[in-house]
Amino acid sequence: GQNIDQPTEMTATEGAIVQINCTYQTSGFNGLFWYQQHAGEAPTFLSYNVLDGLEEKGRFSSFLSRSKGYSYLLLKELQMKDSASYLCAVSRKYGGSQGNLIFGKGTKLSVKP
Amino acid sequence: ETGVTQSPTHLIKTRGQQVTLRCSSQSGHNTVSWYQQALGQGPQFIFQYYREEENGRGNFPPRFSGLQFPNYSSELNVNALELDDSALYLCASSLPGGNTGELFFGEGSRLTVL
Repeated sequence: GQNIDQPTEMTATEGAIVQINCTYQTSGFNGLFWYQQHAGEAPTFLSYNVLDGLEEKGRFSSFLSRSKGYSYLLLKELQMKDSASYLCAVSRKYGGSQGNLIFGKGTKLSVKP
Repeated sequence: ETGVTQSPTHLIKTRGQQVTLRCSSQSGHNTVSWYQQALGQGPQFIFQYYREEENGRGNFPPRFSGLQFPNYSSELNVNALELDDSALYLCASSLPGGNTGELFFGEGSRLTVL
C-alpha cells in the first residue's frame, strides 16, 4: 500500500528557517512533489525531486533520499505569507501517462512575528 | 495562457442527489485528474483522464464517474450523494511525459451535502 507521513502542524518565527519532513512508503515510486496550499485556495507547485539530493529554488529547497523513503522541504528567511499548508506528494507511474499523485495530509505552518 | 477553471465554486446538495462538477484544463494540457480534499486532509486521487479515457482510478466507489471531452475539459459526476462526500473537489491538468508531471490545480468546487 501507500503511506505518506508528515507533521500535522509547525510554528516558526518570521526570518527563521524551518524544515518540514516527509516519509513515504509506496510502490512504483516516480518522484516526490511539494505543494503549498493557502487556506481556501488551490495547491500550487513548489518543487519536484526524482533523484537523491537537494534541489534549491530561491528561499525554498527540497531534499530526497529514495533509499530512506524520506524528503524534507526547507524554507529560509520565513515571511508571514509563508503561513500555509505544505503538502508532500508521491508520483507513481500509471500506464502511458505521468504518475498520479498520492498526497500526505499536509503540514500546517504558522509563521509568527 | 488560461489556467484551470472549475465550476461551480460552491454548491449545496442533499443526500441521495446527484452532482456534476466541471473543469476546463490549462491550455495545451490533455490530461485531467480529479481529487477530493476533505477538511484538514490532503487531496485524495479519484481518477485521471487522458485522451478521453480513464487512465487510473483511486479507491472511490463506482458512483464517482467522469468524462473527458475532445477539448480536454472534464466532468466529475457523483450519484447517490452521501454526507461524507462533502469536500473540496479539485481538478488538475498536466502534460503527459512532461518534465516533471507537475499538476496545475483549479480553485476547486466546494460541495456540501446535507
